[in-house]
Order: sequence, then C-alpha cells, then structure tokens
Amino acid sequence: DTGVSQDPRHKITKRGQNVTFRCDPISEHNRLYWYRQTLGQGPEFLTYFQNEAQLEKSRLLSDRFSAERPKGSFSTLEIQRTEQGDSAMYLCASSPIGGAGETQYFGPGTRLLVL
Amino acid sequence: AQRVTQPEKLLSVFKGAPVELKCNYSYSGSPELFWYVQYSRQRLQLLLRHISRESIKGFTADLNKGETSFHLKKPFAQEEDSAMYYCALSRGGYSTLTFGKGTMLLVSP
Repeated sequence: DTGVSQDPRHKITKRGQNVTFRCDPISEHNRLYWYRQTLGQGPEFLTYFQNEAQLEKSRLLSDRFSAERPKGSFSTLEIQRTEQGDSAMYLCASSPIGGAGETQYFGPGTRLLVL
Repeated sequence: AQRVTQPEKLLSVFKGAPVELKCNYSYSGSPELFWYVQYSRQRLQLLLRHISRESIKGFTADLNKGETSFHLKKPFAQEEDSAMYYCALSRGGYSTLTFGKGTMLLVSP
C-alpha cells in the first residue's frame, strides 16, 4: 500500500499520560500535515511540515503538543499530559510541492480516547 | 480569519433526484476551494477542486466569488453517493486547509 499510513489506529490512555502518534507519508511527498477531528466537526489544522521544517502551527496546538519530522520522512505527534479534551481523531495528510490547490492525501487516522 | 460554512448536517434524497450541497466561505483574499468526501469506512479523499473545473463522478462545483459560495451539485443522485462531504478552503499561496463541518448525504433507493 503506497498511501499515507498512521500508527496506531486506536489509542486509549489515562488522563495525564503522554502519547505519540506516527505518520508515514507517500514517499515522494514533501509536505506533511496534521489535523484533528472531533465528533460533528470537520478536520482542524494543527501543523504542517515542508521536508523537515515545521512551517506553520495552529493556535490550537498548545504547549503540550509537539510534532517532528526528522529527515523529512515520517512524522510524530506527541501529546504530553493528555486531557479528556484531547480525545479526537488525529489525521495526517501529505502532498507534493506544487503551491496552493494541490491535493492532500489523507491517512486513516489515529483515534485517541483519554479516560 | 477564514471560515467555511456548510449549513446542512444531513441531506436525504431519493435515487435519481438532484443534489445540491451548500458551501459558503469567508476569506478576504483569493481562496482555493475543494470538496473532500469520506465514504463509509474509508479515508478522506479529494472529490474535486475549483481550479480544475472538472466533473468527478457526475459532481460539479462552481466558485461564485460574488456570493462567496462553492456549492456541490449532481443532477441525478446514486446510492453510492451516500457519504460525508466536506467543503474546504486554502488561502492563496498557502496549502493548509480550513474545513467546514461537513454534510452527510444519504441517497435512498
């Protein structure tokens, strides 16, 4: 499968624990995005990488959230000291460089439940 | 800040009926508009984008800058069109997307 992959697909954790999600983009794609989706809402942008550089972060991304993309390949999203409000689907997407209007290819998402 | 509004949470039609999913946006610059679709148990995928001016699976959407709308239309709905549809906007020169809340389309036989 050459699509975007995410791991794990589901995560249940207790409040206060740290969690880390991984995203593997389509191999030739330079851009990688993280979104969060809660029930009844569309995906909300969190952060975006072009190669290994993190170019934009949403105000939604509190200090407890950190994302990395070492070597411009896979990316990780870590949430420290999780809160119940962090429960959501975390989506990763990738796209080739081509300016605005390029297609973003989404992964299946990681569903997080914080108890 | 930019915003995308999809006023209908659910749109239910019979097979063969025309479909129009509404999308309105607010953005002061020149946006790029998209429709993404999520079928049951599948990942989110691009349906169409305004710059391509194409018809995909019989769906079309026209960007109306005067009304700041990008409604999705199909003349004859099919059962396989049942899915969640999201309208999305990217700011000119930036690639991140702002999504609406989505409209669930249910096509009954």
